[in-house]
Amino acid sequence: GESVGLHLPTLSVQEGDNSIINCAYSNSASDYFIWYKQESGKGPQFIIDIRSNMDKRQGQRVTVLLNKTVKHLSLQIAATQPGDSAVYFCAENTGGFKTIFGAGTRLFVKA
Amino acid sequence: GAGVSQSPRYKVAKRGQDVALRCDPISGHVSLFWYQQALGQGPEFLTYFQNEAQLDKSGLPSDRFFAERPEGSVSTLKIQRTQQEDSAVYLCASCTGGLYNEQFFGPGTRLTVL
Repeated sequence: GESVGLHLPTLSVQEGDNSIINCAYSNSASDYFIWYKQESGKGPQFIIDIRSNMDKRQGQRVTVLLNKTVKHLSLQIAATQPGDSAVYFCAENTGGFKTIFGAGTRLFVKA
Repeated sequence: GAGVSQSPRYKVAKRGQDVALRCDPISGHVSLFWYQQALGQGPEFLTYFQNEAQLDKSGLPSDRFFAERPEGSVSTLKIQRTQQEDSAVYLCASCTGGLYNEQFFGPGTRLTVL
């Protein structure tokens, strides 16, 4: 079936370095993509989104890149901080209200 | 202002018991979603409400799962005759409506079925 998946289940980075979290999606009809951050014991928190008519979007310290040709999504976090340690999910929508989440990548930030 | 709240935060049930999980969305949010999150997995869509109307329930795993939002605000997810495979965190999210609006999630209810 259609799914959103991640290449790496865990990522460990040094504080101050940049982080890149990757995601592959399989549904070419998806037109809206979202990155979420989930800390232990909390619900997912919206980070940044991008529509399929764009290939890059920047926020505060975060950038999302979308490559529709290879169905790939990435989240870049600049100057990673200990507070960025969490599980990150990519998610996709196909034009309706049903959001499909990937399995997640755990980011560890070493001080 | 207050975010999405869920209660109880933790629920332990014996197999075969019925449970009811409550979600209080952000005031004024038209759309409400329920998700199921198994340990180490991403959330999986269960159902979606627009006001009191349940527009999509395609993710409900069986007819033991039932959700309602009778007045278009608070929602309840009910699971009848709970099974061990129902053990998960149940997340509720709300948003203002529209296809591209940010969903705000509650902290979830962790259900453990013994």
